[in-house]
Amino acid sequence: DTEVTQTPKHLVMGMTNKKSLKCEQHMGHRAMYWYKQKAKKPPELMFVYSYEKLSINESVPSRFSPECPNSSLLNLHLHALQPEDSALYLCASSQDKNRGQGYTFGSGTRLTVV
Amino acid sequence: ELKVEQNPLFLSMQEGKNYTIYCNYSTTSDRLYWYRQDPGKSLESLFVLLSNGAVKQEGRLMASLDTKARLSTLHITAAVHDLSATYFCAAKPGGATNKLIFGTGTLLAVQP
Repeated sequence: DTEVTQTPKHLVMGMTNKKSLKCEQHMGHRAMYWYKQKAKKPPELMFVYSYEKLSINESVPSRFSPECPNSSLLNLHLHALQPEDSALYLCASSQDKNRGQGYTFGSGTRLTVV
Repeated sequence: ELKVEQNPLFLSMQEGKNYTIYCNYSTTSDRLYWYRQDPGKSLESLFVLLSNGAVKQEGRLMASLDTKARLSTLHITAAVHDLSATYFCAAKPGGATNKLIFGTGTLLAVQP
């Protein structure tokens, strides 16, 4: 299995809703990432988990809450989002920083906040 | 802090022509990546460049890395319409970090 699987593919939520994005990989990668991508812009790093521990938080607002229940799963919990949070959210995984080469990206969740 | 810039931001070219996309990065990086993104889609890995002087080729695309100049290039040979997409370079800062920082992207439109 050489894929990163993200669900759902599309999500529409109101500003008072709570929802979660899910990401799964079975490549034995020990680093997992959340990126946010606005239209016509590059992906921006949000969070990095390394060996199931949060290692990087790029000053992301607390309405985004990541969780890594085990080495294969990564969640992003969403609460009280704003319309400007509408974007493509990409999950990625890689081997740990001292080995390996590539970052594998999932197909993304297209989030619309209304 | 590592910053990555690409140029041009937009490239319109005719089929059959050659062109190069440039990727500059501001501080030490120990890995350089190229990705392709089609509209509304995720990122497809094209190349991973690990060392100074590295050159990789796949079909009509060739990527190279000059770590002394902090420059990577993506050369397109005899472009075809199917190559139309946005191309991103991304750099990993040197040292013990998993960060991957993306360049601004180049939107490539190949006209018949």
